[in-house]
This record gives sequence, structure tokens and C-alpha cells, in this order.
Amino acid sequence: DQQVKQNSPSLSVQEGRISILNCDYTNSMFDYFLWYKKYPAEGPTFLISISSIKDKNEDGRFTVFLNKSAKHLSLHIVPSQPGDSAVYFCAASEGGRTSGTYKYIFGTGTRLKVLA
Amino acid sequence: DSGVTQTPKHLITATGQRVTLRCSPRSGDLSVYWYQQSLDQGLQFLIQYYNGEERAKGNILERFSAQQFPDLHSELNLSSLELGDSALYFCASRSPGSSTEAFFGQGTRLTVV
Repeated sequence: DQQVKQNSPSLSVQEGRISILNCDYTNSMFDYFLWYKKYPAEGPTFLISISSIKDKNEDGRFTVFLNKSAKHLSLHIVPSQPGDSAVYFCAASEGGRTSGTYKYIFGTGTRLKVLA
Repeated sequence: DSGVTQTPKHLITATGQRVTLRCSPRSGDLSVYWYQQSLDQGLQFLIQYYNGEERAKGNILERFSAQQFPDLHSELNLSSLELGDSALYFCASRSPGSSTEAFFGQGTRLTVV
């Protein structure tokens, strides 16, 4: 059972335009969501996160939106740059605040290609 | 550089063999996570340790085991290897503070032939 889903395996966007990566989840107990970026032959790199008590978090060109009623989150990259070309993973965790155990469940990733 | 070190970077071994993957977490991090990424798949959570104790278990096969040592480094042991075990194995660590993100190592690419 895939609790975190990224239904778009790939996305191509023109340089300077907005990239929107989507993620859906099924577990309403998830209380923290994260986005990671992964280049080939490297480990995933943390990008941005959002708590379930918020609906938006912004960090420079990156903004994450959370819609709890729809169990959906999205990552917006504006403006997109060729260096943003990578695989983006959405992840979710639950129970960390109470148990101290942050178990991260990852989606399958979306390969973003930013065209120059 | 995330500060998480994994060795070896590459490993080629035969079916039926046993291997050990090693992970050194960032300085001060008490939690260590192990993930498996098979070809074109997402990151599958295997197991988490916190300060030497197992805290959470995911889809880890019985042929696989892990431990975290007093110096906080961790080892993932894979035995009776099968072709399907070929994958990237990532280790991640997280600090005990309020930050909730985990930092990943560069991974160990295991090829079973």
C-alpha cells in the first residue's frame, strides 16, 4: 500500500517558468511533510518541509503548499533553473512529536527537467 | 556534503553471499535510518535506530539485519543475497533537536551477480 504517491514520473518545464510537483497521501496521521531533491549518484538532499498545522511554507524560490482536506501537497519552484533538474521526492512522517520516532515514508519521485 | 558517510560506495557480490554496509551519522545525530532504492523505485524504509535501540521497522527482509553501535555508527547486514537485492542502500541521520529533516549519505550501490 503506497501511502505517499507521486503520480507524475516526469515533468519538463522551460527555464524561468514555474515548476509544480504534486504529491498525494493517504494516511491522515502524517504530521510532517518534506521534499528532497536527488541528483544522479548522490543521496537525497533536503529541500523544504511543512508541518501539518500550516498550509504554506516558503524558502526562496521554493514554496510548499499543503491541502489537508484533499491530502495533497505541492512544491512550486519559481523561477525554474536548469540546475533544478533532478528527481524530487515527497516524504511524510507521523508521530514524531510524541514518540520521537520520525519514520519517513517516501513517494516514488518525479524527474524534473528544466529546459534552457 | 551532508556529513553522513557510507562505505563502501560500490559493492559487487555473488548470490548467496553476505555483505555489511556501514554508515557514520552526522556528528551529534542519534537517529540512523536505512533505506533501499531499487531501480526506478522510491525509497523504501527499512529500519531506524535511535541511540543504539531499534525504533521503527519497515519492509525489511528477515535476511537483513542492522545495528547501531555505542559510537552511533550503524551497520546493515544483508545475507543469502539474491539478484533482487541489487539496489542503492541509503543511510540517513537526524539530530535529536526540533529539526525533523533527515540528512542522507551518498549511498552504497550493491550489485548481486
